[in-house]
Amino acid sequence: GAGVSQSPSNKVTEKGKDVELRCDPISGHTALYWYRQSLGQGLEFLIYFQGNSAPDKSGLPSDRFSAERTGGSVSTLTIQRTQQEDSAVYLCASSSPGTGSYEQYFGPGTRLTVT
Amino acid sequence: AQRVTQPEKLLSVFKGAPVELKCNYSYSGSPELFWYVQYSRQRLQLLLRHISRESIKGFTADLNKGETSFHLKKPFAQEEDSAMYYCALVRSGYSTLTFGKGTMLLVSP
Repeated sequence: GAGVSQSPSNKVTEKGKDVELRCDPISGHTALYWYRQSLGQGLEFLIYFQGNSAPDKSGLPSDRFSAERTGGSVSTLTIQRTQQEDSAVYLCASSSPGTGSYEQYFGPGTRLTVT
Repeated sequence: AQRVTQPEKLLSVFKGAPVELKCNYSYSGSPELFWYVQYSRQRLQLLLRHISRESIKGFTADLNKGETSFHLKKPFAQEEDSAMYYCALVRSGYSTLTFGKGTMLLVSP
């Protein structure tokens, strides 16, 4: 079946603009995760959704970052007033913990460049 | 707080040589450990997890709780093993992954 998809694949924006990144998880996966991959920092956890609620937002770096998930499916990560340090690849992953498997399936990522 | 350390940013070996990618962790509880791999122009994917105790693509990893290590090993490296490897930890009762910074493995012919 279809894997995790993310859009756009690339986004170039000017400093100070808002951006929205979208994630479509694997159908039926109740858990959804956002990570950020940047040079020197590796992979950092941002936020975790179980269904539509976010029990763990501890990785969001500032209040400019927010995320929502609707219908237990699609999630949107919003970055307001983007800064150059926000440039990174944003990865989404989903999993189905109810099956006893904690394997996370990753999307291809959105490469964000803030100029 | 939990932490995963991969001391090598880059590991370069010749085809047929043994490979060991190091991973150490710090966590006071009983973690679940994973190795994820990212081949060039492909998405991040699970390679293996400690609870499965399996060998995938010739790779194995043993959890050593005494040394808090989960090193990834392969006796004979292949060129197609060239990729970025990430060690990751899940805390007991949680599902989010804490990653190390990754080790790039380059296997030369």
